[in-house]
Amino acid sequence: ETGVTQTPRHLVMGMTNKKSLKCEQHLGHNAMYWYKQSAKKPLELMFVYSLEERVENNSVPSRFSPECPNSSHLFLHLHTLQPEDSALYLCASSQVFRDEQYFGPGTRLTVT
Amino acid sequence: GQQLNQSPQSMFIQEGEDVSMNCTSSSIFNTWLWYKQEPGEGPVLLIALYKAGELTSNGRLTAQFGITRKDSFLNISASIPSDVGIYFCAGFDRGSTLGRLYFGRGTQLTVWP
Repeated sequence: ETGVTQTPRHLVMGMTNKKSLKCEQHLGHNAMYWYKQSAKKPLELMFVYSLEERVENNSVPSRFSPECPNSSHLFLHLHTLQPEDSALYLCASSQVFRDEQYFGPGTRLTVT
Repeated sequence: GQQLNQSPQSMFIQEGEDVSMNCTSSSIFNTWLWYKQEPGEGPVLLIALYKAGELTSNGRLTAQFGITRKDSFLNISASIPSDVGIYFCAGFDRGSTLGRLYFGRGTQLTVWP
């Protein structure tokens, strides 16, 4: 595998379910990011991890819970989501303090 | 947060035509980046610009970092059908903890054969 990978690519879940999104980067980076992409809106930064420590949480509801066990892996744990949480969730990575972020293909999430 | 105004929102052009899109901001940025996103995929980095006035090419793509550091443009020459996608500008602000990327809303490009 090369670059940034995300699984699953598609996920449909009910509002009472618990699921997790996974991201893995193979670029040797040490910062990882979760973004939300909704139709007709700019990319929204959700969480930032630097050297496995969460350094930014942009007022994201607690039903989204990130986890970064090491510099190559990032998870987003989901529980009791709302229909308005349906979106494309993108993971990205970079070197700390560097501007070039590299994105994964995203997970298309639908909450029913 | 910082707002990036990207225009046009969408473009419908004939194959072979040149394309131009731009991005402006009320704040200055240290770096401007241009990404392309195809359906069902994540954004792919096309060009990164690091100095005011810099002009950089990547094949048929040319981008410039505005002198004021508040704007950037992307040109695509002799468009082909595989240029179809959404093009995003992004500005990097080194001011926060790690630095932060701010994105425009994107330009949807459609190329007719």
